[in-house]
Amino acid sequence: DTGVSQDPRHKITKRGQNVTFRCDPISEHNRLYWYRQTLGQGPEFLTYFQNEAQLEKSRLLSDRFSAERPKGSFSTLEIQRTEQGDSAMYLCASSWAGGGNTIYFGEGSWLTVV
Amino acid sequence: ELKVEQNPLFLSMQEGKNYTIYCNYSTTSDRLYWYRQDPGKSLESLFVLLSNGAVKQEGRLMASLDTKARLSTLHITAAVHDLSATYFCAVGEIRDDKIIFGKGTRLHILP
Repeated sequence: DTGVSQDPRHKITKRGQNVTFRCDPISEHNRLYWYRQTLGQGPEFLTYFQNEAQLEKSRLLSDRFSAERPKGSFSTLEIQRTEQGDSAMYLCASSWAGGGNTIYFGEGSWLTVV
Repeated sequence: ELKVEQNPLFLSMQEGKNYTIYCNYSTTSDRLYWYRQDPGKSLESLFVLLSNGAVKQEGRLMASLDTKARLSTLHITAAVHDLSATYFCAVGEIRDDKIIFGKGTRLHILP
């Protein structure tokens, strides 16, 4: 069990470019979450999957954001036409389905849009 | 809409002292989480509380849950410098799989 891993850990991109983040959850965890955190704030929920099904998307997630989990294992989060307001840490987490299970977070992917 | 409030948001305290962080939430919940975050790092799970009256302890940290008051506390006993970090509570609504975080309590323990 190697924990939740995210890649890349840091990304600097120019405004208007597209970026993609990858998350590998703890093996066999069927639930996968994406959160966004800005400096001095708590993580904000973006979206989550159970297996390959995307079950909920936050109103915060504009049409420029898309997430996939094609085979129910790893997930990608793509941001199109990045804006400076997208600069944040993007956190992935995974767990077993069922209330009360621990949700484990990855190290995060830092995005800076210049 | 579920809202989670923590207080205080910032706490500076002396080593050896005791203190409590409070987490209030606005709707019925069936689970509450406490996490620790060091600067620039991810979130480390500390406790998961599932029932009214639940109490969990790990070292100098003790968490409790009062579902009727919609309140959880994180109590720090005889603080040491290594406990300096930001502590978040997060709450899950019944029949909702996501969890919602508070703004965090930034704890600074002075030697």
